Amino acid sequence: EPEVTQTPSHQVTQMGQEVILRCVPISNHLYFYWYRQILGQKVEFLVSFYNNEISEKSEIFDDQFSVERPDGSNFTLKIRSTKLEDSAMYFCASSRDPQTMETQYFGPGTRLLVL
Amino acid sequence: GQSLEQPSEVTAVEGAIVQINCTYQTSGFYGLSWYQQHDGGAPTFLSYNALDGLEETGRFSSFLSRSDSYGYLLLQELQMKDSASYFCAVRDKNTDKLIFGTGTRLQVFP
Repeated sequence: EPEVTQTPSHQVTQMGQEVILRCVPISNHLYFYWYRQILGQKVEFLVSFYNNEISEKSEIFDDQFSVERPDGSNFTLKIRSTKLEDSAMYFCASSRDPQTMETQYFGPGTRLLVL
Repeated sequence: GQSLEQPSEVTAVEGAIVQINCTYQTSGFYGLSWYQQHDGGAPTFLSYNALDGLEETGRFSSFLSRSDSYGYLLLQELQMKDSASYFCAVRDKNTDKLIFGTGTRLQVFP
């Protein structure tokens, strides 16, 4: 069964450093998402991406965040200058067509720890 | 804004039936979904209600009542492996983002 994959599984970084989180969505999916989950809290939407552009972003997704689909398979989330409060689990998700009942499929996540 | 409220924790014993409720305040959405998340794991899709009523998928059933702004997930014949967090979520009608509920931690005891 096809699945969303993410790398790395864990990332430790110093405050102020840049990090890039990588995702490979399911191959025939067209809609891509990033979510984050601070430890013990609910999953929060960050950004959605379709047709090579951002379709929506939340208030969390400020100028320090960016997304890119550099080739036909990868979907990345970059945090330019990490802050302590960016420590969280970051989930990538993809779906074929959100206008149908198609669900979003989540990757295993990247646990980011900012020191 | 949109918000979905769930009880923070539910406990039950193996073999029992448990219901996890979700009440919401949202202006428009396509349907109510339920996700399971084990500690350290990713949310895994369980069930989806596009229309009012009951949807059954094996041991899990989900219910939606739009008029009452309420839904629930029913887990039957509980097993130890069902111990996890459960989130309700709606897909916003104006966008395609998922808005998650506060989550319910289910602990199943032998």
